Amino acid sequence: TQLLEQSPQFLSIQEGENLTVYCNSSSVFSSLQWYRQEPGEGPVLLVTVVTGGEVKKLKRLTFQFGDARKDSSLHITAAQPGDTGLYLCAGTAGGTSYGKLTFGQGTILTVHP
Amino acid sequence: DAGVIQSPRHEVTEMGQEVTLRCKPISGHDYLFWYRQTMMRGLELLIYFNNNVPIDDSGMPEDRFSAKMPNASFSTLKIQPSEPRDSAVYFCASSLLASRGQFFGPGTRLTVL
Repeated sequence: TQLLEQSPQFLSIQEGENLTVYCNSSSVFSSLQWYRQEPGEGPVLLVTVVTGGEVKKLKRLTFQFGDARKDSSLHITAAQPGDTGLYLCAGTAGGTSYGKLTFGQGTILTVHP
Repeated sequence: DAGVIQSPRHEVTEMGQEVTLRCKPISGHDYLFWYRQTMMRGLELLIYFNNNVPIDDSGMPEDRFSAKMPNASFSTLKIQPSEPRDSAVYFCASSLLASRGQFFGPGTRLTVL
């Protein structure tokens, strides 16, 4: 069974601060995705990374896929209250598990004005 | 695009009753996924379909759970008989390519009394 461990589990910061969320596994993933979920809604896809070492930027969000494709990070610069939510990483293993996403347990981010 | 549509949004039922959750995926998406989300266990994959065919149902907790996809635009998740421990938010998601990100519906909040 492939597991994804996210850290930290909870993050409470002030507006304007920077933060990083980590997603780690002992297994190799063919791709890794990040989602954000707000209360009462379904997760919304932020990004997909597929190449080891890949870095993608989405405005103030920077996503990185580890060289060995076992880990990923999400960095937010100058956090805003609108960034508040549950952040989930999810990986696909490929092979016979193609199509199956394994989710981390999530990081609850609260950004205070 | 209408996005993934789920109904009902909320369901309250009594233990022992049959519950049917419905999902309409995004048109043209070949993959459909059913998830369950709880505070304790996070987001769990129950079953997924590719081109209306069930591919992996290893996440279905018990025989009380069943899922069907009679055509490309409709799927159901049925629980019979329901139990209080089935209380959770159930999400349906669809994707064009499994490794490129999934689009989630708003979820059905199920409460079994």
